[in-house]
Amino acid sequence: SQTIHQWPATLVQPVGSPLSLECTVEGTSNPNLYWYRQAAGRGLQLLFYSVGIGQISSEVPQNLSASRPQDRQFILSSKKLLLSDSGFYLCAWSVDSHTDTQYFGPGTRLTVL
Amino acid sequence: DAKTTQPTSMDCAEGRAANLPCNHSTISGNEYVYWYRQIHSQGPQYIIHGLKNNETNEMASLIITEDRKSSTLILPHATLRDTAVYYCIVYYDKVIFGPGTSLSVIP
Repeated sequence: SQTIHQWPATLVQPVGSPLSLECTVEGTSNPNLYWYRQAAGRGLQLLFYSVGIGQISSEVPQNLSASRPQDRQFILSSKKLLLSDSGFYLCAWSVDSHTDTQYFGPGTRLTVL
Repeated sequence: DAKTTQPTSMDCAEGRAANLPCNHSTISGNEYVYWYRQIHSQGPQYIIHGLKNNETNEMASLIITEDRKSSTLILPHATLRDTAVYYCIVYYDKVIFGPGTSLSVIP
């Protein structure tokens, strides 16, 4: 069966510090991978998606970036965090296009102080 | 913007059926209706999806109107563990999550 992991589960970072969140998927090959952000009390905002190694599409311009160094690894990064980067970050995968069912990880709760 | 509209919140008595409505009046012929739910502080969980026909699985039933402009998710016997935010999503090209419906199951 397929599983998706995210770490860390929670993170508190000062403004201006760098960020690296990691997501890995097990039990499937060549998945589509997604990063979402959820602000408190809000819906999910798609940040990035990837259909293969090194292929990243950005949905929202911001100070975040994503990379996919391996087939089942997706990393969300920032060089300098802003207060507005606080939120719940979710990684998801799907078998095919992003019209397919998406399976979400447990999320990372980021607080920028 | 999300292509769906849902009530902000609903209550349901434990053991009763929960009927969650969703309007998607601009849906196109090849767009699926998906339902997810998100329990507090967890990632969203897939529930069910459909195109034209009604669908049922071990979690819920999905009723889609004949004109496909609206649908209803039915949890046949709601339990306290069904308390969550329920998202109705219509997508062909990409997924857009709106604010969803916050369902509270009351003992």
